[in-house]
Amino acid sequence: DQQVKQNSPSLSVQEGRISILNCDYTNSMFDYFLWYKKYPAEGPTFLISISSIKDKNEDGRFTVFLNKSAKHLSLHIVPSQPGDSAVYFCAAISSGGSYIPTFGRGTSLIVHP
Amino acid sequence: EAGVTQSPTHLIKTRGQQATLRCSPISGHTSVYWYQQALGLGLQFLLWYDEGEERNRGNFPPRFSGRQFPNYSSELNVNALELEDSALYLCASSLTPYQPQHFGDGTRLSIL
Repeated sequence: DQQVKQNSPSLSVQEGRISILNCDYTNSMFDYFLWYKKYPAEGPTFLISISSIKDKNEDGRFTVFLNKSAKHLSLHIVPSQPGDSAVYFCAAISSGGSYIPTFGRGTSLIVHP
Repeated sequence: EAGVTQSPTHLIKTRGQQATLRCSPISGHTSVYWYQQALGLGLQFLLWYDEGEERNRGNFPPRFSGRQFPNYSSELNVNALELEDSALYLCASSLTPYQPQHFGDGTRLSIL
């Protein structure tokens, strides 16, 4: 029973274009969401987060959008760079619960030069 | 600032043996988390330690255990190893449970 789903295992994008990574969740108690990036042989690195009181959070080239009614969030990377090639994990937390994040299975992004 | 460090990088064991994985959190971080990432799966939560106490436990059998030391470092013990325990084990730390976690590079455990 996956509470956080990343339905696209992989995504291929041309350098300079927009990358859109999607994440769906089923638990309505989730109210804080995070994106992590993971390079091979390294641990995940925190990228950006969003609280359920917002619908958008921006940090440089990275923007996360949250649609609570659809239980959907997306990470936009503009413009995409070859160095962005990594696995991206979506995670969700219920602040009224244990604060342990529930992770999706990840999406492998490949940005071609 | 040194990040989260884990040792060893790789560990090879046989079925039935016991494995010990170690983690040093970022200085000042009191919360330590352990995750398992099996091939093709996301990060599965194992254990959370804070101030030396086990605060939460994921859906794993009791042969997965650990502890946190007074200096906040932690170790994960896996007893009676099974083939399905082959995975990347990640440790993370945070200043408080309400802040994003910082991960180490993991220990790759292989069971032969």
